[in-house]
Amino acid sequence: DTAVSQTPKYLVTQMGNDKSIKCEQNLGHDTMYWYKQDSKKFLKIMFSYNNKELIINETVPNRFSPKSPDKAHLNLHINSLELGDSAVYFCASTSSESSSYNEQFFGPGTRLTVL
Amino acid sequence: KNQVEQSPQSLIILEGKNCTLQCNYTVSPFSNLRWYKQDTGRGPVSLTIMTFSENTKSNGRYTATLDADTKQSSLHITASQLSDSASYICVVSAELRNAGNMLTFGGGTRLMVKP
Repeated sequence: DTAVSQTPKYLVTQMGNDKSIKCEQNLGHDTMYWYKQDSKKFLKIMFSYNNKELIINETVPNRFSPKSPDKAHLNLHINSLELGDSAVYFCASTSSESSSYNEQFFGPGTRLTVL
Repeated sequence: KNQVEQSPQSLIILEGKNCTLQCNYTVSPFSNLRWYKQDTGRGPVSLTIMTFSENTKSNGRYTATLDADTKQSSLHITASQLSDSASYICVVSAELRNAGNMLTFGGGTRLMVKP
């Protein structure tokens, strides 16, 4: 009963291709995120969606386009993949209801390798 | 600019020994501070979460401290086990309206516990 799931777990592709990563959460959360973890292991936020609306869009190239068909899903589509896109991408979710914690739950990650 | 710095970057200890990991941050507006454990090939998992008013919080053999005045936190691991080998990430949260929490991640401390 995985709370936050991502597919695929591994993705190896050629430069210039277009690919998608899917994320689903069954926690009833209303906010979902995409993070990129680079080779130095820093996790950096890319996008945040609240109730299917884009809330945060950090300085991410417009080749990256998130899509949220419903509150439980946040997919990431990447056009014209570049070598520098190689990283591990993590999806996370949380509830934005009033709370001091709003703990984020992370998916297992998708390791993207661009050749 | 919000930043989280951790030290040391890596640490090797013998099984059964204790260790302390450090975290300094400059994040505003501060909401809470979290310590995550990230096993290789997996997403981060929350160990502790502390708000401004909490000085210490324990989770089994993990004890986190927070000094909101000096903006420092530590994670103490007691009687280490081989399964403690992982990256430990300090994450500081700023609360955003209608978007849950905006997390700033440290680079992590990679801990290796040897028999």
